Amino acid sequence: EVQLVESGGGLVQPGRSLRLSCAASGFTFDDYAMYWVRQPPGKGLEWVSGISWNSGTKGYADSVKGRFTISRDNVKKSLYLQMNSLRAEDTALYYCARGSGGSSTYYYYYYMDVWGKGTTVTVSS
Amino acid sequence: DIQMTQSPSSLSASVGDRVTITCRASQGITNYLAWYQQKPGKVPKLLIYAASTLQSGVPSRFSGSGSGTDFTLTISSLQPEDVATYYCQRYNSAPLTFGGGTKVEIK
Repeated sequence: EVQLVESGGGLVQPGRSLRLSCAASGFTFDDYAMYWVRQPPGKGLEWVSGISWNSGTKGYADSVKGRFTISRDNVKKSLYLQMNSLRAEDTALYYCARGSGGSSTYYYYYYMDVWGKGTTVTVSS
Repeated sequence: DIQMTQSPSSLSASVGDRVTITCRASQGITNYLAWYQQKPGKVPKLLIYAASTLQSGVPSRFSGSGSGTDFTLTISSLQPEDVATYYCQRYNSAPLTFGGGTKVEIK
């Protein structure tokens, strides 16, 4: 079964750091681009970051650029999001998603066909 | 950045009605457009990609059309299980962006 399982969320004070993980199973992880998407409570979806299959290209939303870092370990079949200098507005449910449908070396040009159940990040003092 | 504008933001329709949701890009995106369904409390689910290609397992009452800047998602006969929020998303360039969502309810 194709599956993505996020972990690492929790309650953290403003200015602190948190590292999210996403464990993949049931598919050849290094064939796919991967994404982080978040959803603040009661609000819509926001793309956060993406990474190509070989980590050659990465990208970030302006709202997190310079604070968040995406990475992956194809041997461990895992995706990561290092989140530094967290703010209250980063409070959200964070989803990991698989990018499908292309063969580009870029992290975009892919739609998101598999999603994890998400991990909740709450930034509050 | 290319913005995605969905309309309406919400709608209420009767079972069996034909429902249409529109998504407009601020610049042309050819057909790099996906539609997702998110039921209350659930994970987003891919419905359509490449503007008009139905994802495997998605009921045929769902269809997508459009190219360039204007796109539509149509539910040909609304069912109670279609109550959800629907999002469009472009993936032709960075940053990837979602529309604001359309909440569909049963009248």
